[in-house]
Amino acid sequence: DAMVIQNPRYQVTQFGKPVTLSCSQTLNHNVMYWYQQKSSQAPKLLFHYYDKDFNNEADTPDNFQSRRPNTSFCFLDIRSPGLGDAAMYLCATGSLAPTDTQYFGPGTRLTVL
Amino acid sequence: GQSLEQPSEVTAVEGAIVQINCTYQTSGFYGLSWYQQHDGGAPTFLSYNALDGLEETGRFSSFLSRSDSYGYLLLQELQMKDSASYFCAVQRDSNYQLIWGAGTKLIIKP
Repeated sequence: DAMVIQNPRYQVTQFGKPVTLSCSQTLNHNVMYWYQQKSSQAPKLLFHYYDKDFNNEADTPDNFQSRRPNTSFCFLDIRSPGLGDAAMYLCATGSLAPTDTQYFGPGTRLTVL
Repeated sequence: GQSLEQPSEVTAVEGAIVQINCTYQTSGFYGLSWYQQHDGGAPTFLSYNALDGLEETGRFSSFLSRSDSYGYLLLQELQMKDSASYFCAVQRDSNYQLIWGAGTKLIIKP
């Protein structure tokens, strides 16, 4: 089945220690998104790619970076995680179909010690 | 600014019908989506309305009134597995990004 896969599902890191989260998709969608979601809040868009075009949200901290080496893969790098970065990180994909459905991966729950 | 408002929490009884409302104020409007998210899980797409009226998908229906900047999600024959958070999200223009509401936690009692 076509899907969005995120690894790892759970990630523990230390304060200030860089961490990379990965996402892959078999849907062949042009658009990939990274969201941060904290408890009882809506997903917050960090950035997205349309093909290789990178679009950063204005309020996304510089501490967060992303790479998309090809259509299938996208990475989220957190250069110096702080305690406030502990959250669920969701990767999603989308096409440009009129419904604009976004397909989400299962998420990576990040804990910062 | 851009804003979507939906109730933070709704409680209903198993087998009943519940309606979750969403009002929006955005600089543009292309369509309204609804997503379901179980605790610890990822959001999953439920429905999308671009035009006024009711869209039905099984036990779930979604309604849109563009003139009122208002939509709702209707869940019928509630089951315990419907306990989840429900988010409305607006596609503001032909750009593919969504603006998300804060979510409504649906609690279902036996």
